[in-house]
Amino acid sequence: KQEVTQIPAALSVPEGENLVLNCSFTDSAIYNLQWFRQDPGKGLTSLLLIQSSQREQTSGRLNASLDKSSGRSTLYIAASQPGDSATYLCAVRPGSGGSNYKLTFGKGTLLTVNP
Amino acid sequence: DTEVTQTPKHLVMGMTNKKSLKCEQHMGHRAMYWYKQKAKKPPELMFVYSYEKLSINESVPSRFSPECPNSSLLNLHLHALQPEDSALYLCASSQGQRLADEQYFGPGTRLTVT
Repeated sequence: KQEVTQIPAALSVPEGENLVLNCSFTDSAIYNLQWFRQDPGKGLTSLLLIQSSQREQTSGRLNASLDKSSGRSTLYIAASQPGDSATYLCAVRPGSGGSNYKLTFGKGTLLTVNP
Repeated sequence: DTEVTQTPKHLVMGMTNKKSLKCEQHMGHRAMYWYKQKAKKPPELMFVYSYEKLSINESVPSRFSPECPNSSLLNLHLHALQPEDSALYLCASSQGQRLADEQYFGPGTRLTVT
């Protein structure tokens, strides 16, 4: 059974700092990995989707990397801003099997960027 | 238009009430999903519809009844809920159920059962 772990569970940083969020998964047979942002009580906003054949994806100040063989992904946020404060969720999609529709989520990292 | 909309935003209901949650998308997606998210927990899949037919039921209690009247609309009918069913209910859609099809999420309905 796939398990996704996100470390740290919570992170508080001063504005302007570069930071890294970590995601690890136990079964490397994934099709893709997706990073989401969730504001309190709100839905999920997709930030980056990395296919299993890719090593990284970039969008603005965000860069996500994937090391499928070691079961790890990182989300790098450059020059953090108070508006980046949110919970960041990592989710993997299995590459095979009957449940390949199913995303397995980590519990998230709660990020607070202080002005 | 890459938006999934959900109504209502908030819902408070008693344990004997019947209510419905609504989800709509106009992206031409043919797969739609219901997720349940408890506080400080990740989303959990409840149902998947593909081409307006229920394809996946993740052993959800029958007090939750999904319906897909057409390819753009997904409902979740609620009856005789328990206080522990209070949660954020998220709808998502994707082009299909193929591996490459990314899921787009709505803003959610915050449900409180009293």
